[in-house]
Amino acid sequence: EDKVVQSPLSLVVHEGDTVTLNCSYEVTNFRSLLWYKQEKKAPTFLFMLTSSGIEKKSGRLSSILDKKELFSILNITATQTGDSAVYLCAVPDSGGYQKVTFGIGTKLQVIP
Amino acid sequence: ETGVTQTPRHLVMGMTNKKSLKCEQHLGHNAMYWYKQSAKKPLELMFVYNFKEQTENNSVPSRFSPECPNSSHLFLHLHTLQPEDSALYLCASSQDRRSSPYNEQFFGPGTRLTVL
Repeated sequence: EDKVVQSPLSLVVHEGDTVTLNCSYEVTNFRSLLWYKQEKKAPTFLFMLTSSGIEKKSGRLSSILDKKELFSILNITATQTGDSAVYLCAVPDSGGYQKVTFGIGTKLQVIP
Repeated sequence: ETGVTQTPRHLVMGMTNKKSLKCEQHLGHNAMYWYKQSAKKPLELMFVYNFKEQTENNSVPSRFSPECPNSSHLFLHLHTLQPEDSALYLCASSQDRRSSPYNEQFFGPGTRLTVL
């Protein structure tokens, strides 16, 4: 059975801090790893990672994948209160790519 | 209207009621999904539809009955639910599995369901 483990489960930081969120996975025939941000309700897509060692970047957020060690990290620099959310890591199955296994998420709270 | 919409946003029902959740996507996708999100648990996939055909049923109890009349609409019919079914129900859509090798799913805002 595919497995996705995220850490830490929750994190409280001050505005301006840099945070690193972790995601490790155990899946057969890995193809991609996804990061989502969930504020209030609908998860919104952040990154899709398919290749090891290539950093994806969007503003203050960046993510990288290590296929050898089976993990990914999501970095947020100069955090703002608007970054407060649950960050979800997910891995689609290799068969139809539609059975996605999600981690439980990391709840990030950024305080002023 | 854009993206993925869900109605109602909140629903309270008794165990003997019958209700339906509705999802509509305006992204031109051909695959749609139902997920359940309970407190302190990961998102759980319930059903997947491709081109209106159900392709995944993740061992969901029969008191949840999905319906997909076309690629843009998805329903979840609920009857004789239990209090432990209270959760956030999220709908998502994506490209179908044949046309896209990767699976970026777009989520709706969810329906917060409370079963009394």
